[in-house]
Amino acid sequence: DSGVTQTPKHLITATGQRVTLRCSPRSGDLSVYWYQQSLDQGLQFLIQYYNGEERAKGNILERFSAQQFPDLHSELNLSSLELGDSALYFCASSLNTRGETQYFGPGTRLLVL
Amino acid sequence: QKEVEQDPGPLSVPEGAIVSLNCTYSNSAFQYFMWYRQYSRKGPELLMYTYSSGNKEDGRFTAQVDKSSKYISLFIRDSQPSDSATYLCAMALSGSRLTFGEGTQLTVNP
Repeated sequence: DSGVTQTPKHLITATGQRVTLRCSPRSGDLSVYWYQQSLDQGLQFLIQYYNGEERAKGNILERFSAQQFPDLHSELNLSSLELGDSALYFCASSLNTRGETQYFGPGTRLLVL
Repeated sequence: QKEVEQDPGPLSVPEGAIVSLNCTYSNSAFQYFMWYRQYSRKGPELLMYTYSSGNKEDGRFTAQVDKSSKYISLFIRDSQPSDSATYLCAMALSGSRLTFGEGTQLTVNP
């Protein structure tokens, strides 16, 4: 158990809908990272927050957004969902911003029908 | 060309074998090098990380980095069936995102 929690574990929804994925980092970790894992793209970095502030952006679609709250938990919002958004979404956390020790949560498996 | 290349396998070995997993990379600015293990689409588990050329050992695992050749390896000694998983190499510039290889699927047969 990495200490990172993610909810929900599974999500099934329809195209065009909006969903919110939630992540709680390990106790004491200030950085939260979101990654998407699909069969054809592998693990791709989406976005990073550090202590409430956006720190870095990767290949995140405009339909996706995220935020980190004062209690350091983070939410990833996916809207106008498409079939191709079906994937595993992982959250990771680390103590600092260097990123060399990121601990991953169990993931949320999203299926868009 | 991908920044990180990893042979996807699959790799099948008998129990007790020495396993060698490898990645090459093109971005010489990468500073941190990690290996993760992922069991059947669960969250990746950090095995080892290093930031310098050379070897780092942890139990049955040895991570090797050769920055001059842009090549990293993970060696698993005395492999066990419980080591069967997908192994992902990952790299980072100073400051944040990890860039992952495709992952190598390893099966250790009893």
